[in-house]
Amino acid sequence: DGGITQSPKYLFRKEGQNVTLSCEQNLNHDAMYWYRQDPGQGLRLIYYSQIVNDFQKGDIAEGYSVSREKKESFPLTVTSAQKNPTAFYLCASSWRGGGTEAFFGQGTRLTVV
Amino acid sequence: AQRVTQPEKLLSVFKGAPVELKCNYSYSGSPELFWYVQYSRQRLQLLLRHISRESIKGFTADLNKGETSFHLKKPFAQEEDSAMYYCALSGLEDQGGKLIFGQGTELSVKP
Repeated sequence: DGGITQSPKYLFRKEGQNVTLSCEQNLNHDAMYWYRQDPGQGLRLIYYSQIVNDFQKGDIAEGYSVSREKKESFPLTVTSAQKNPTAFYLCASSWRGGGTEAFFGQGTRLTVV
Repeated sequence: AQRVTQPEKLLSVFKGAPVELKCNYSYSGSPELFWYVQYSRQRLQLLLRHISRESIKGFTADLNKGETSFHLKKPFAQEEDSAMYYCALSGLEDQGGKLIFGQGTELSVKP
């Protein structure tokens, strides 16, 4: 079953702890993205990667880190430096090249307790 | 800088009425525009892209470079159209790079 998978679906974190969200795709896509979805603010780009071992900051990268060691995986770490981490996080992937469709995971809801 | 603006957070219409969801963008190069839709409890998915010039589920969108707009239209709304709609932009030069979304518009179609 091809697609993009995020895990876990729900995640709870204590203040001051780092936490890593998983994103895996078996679509053979080169490009992968992380977004944060907040009510009234739409999807804001955190990081994106066009190719293995390379990634760029999006509009709200502060307090987040990523790695792209494998084509199919793009994990996102929410660090303790992120001041307001409680949110819904979406991962997506696409072929490289303009005009290509992005495929989304089902999301991870992170709650800081 | 890339920017996408959807001025309406919520749009409420009655079944059978025309619908227009507004999207304006800012981009200095050649833009590629998309509309994505998120139905309740489903994944965000592509609805249509300007380069295809197609009609999906009765929706159309025309890129107006002069007004930097990409409004989504449907002549007769259906209840099943109720969803969250996002306008998105990437640059043809970016080769799969930044994909930026607007704030989203929630469409509610009442019976």
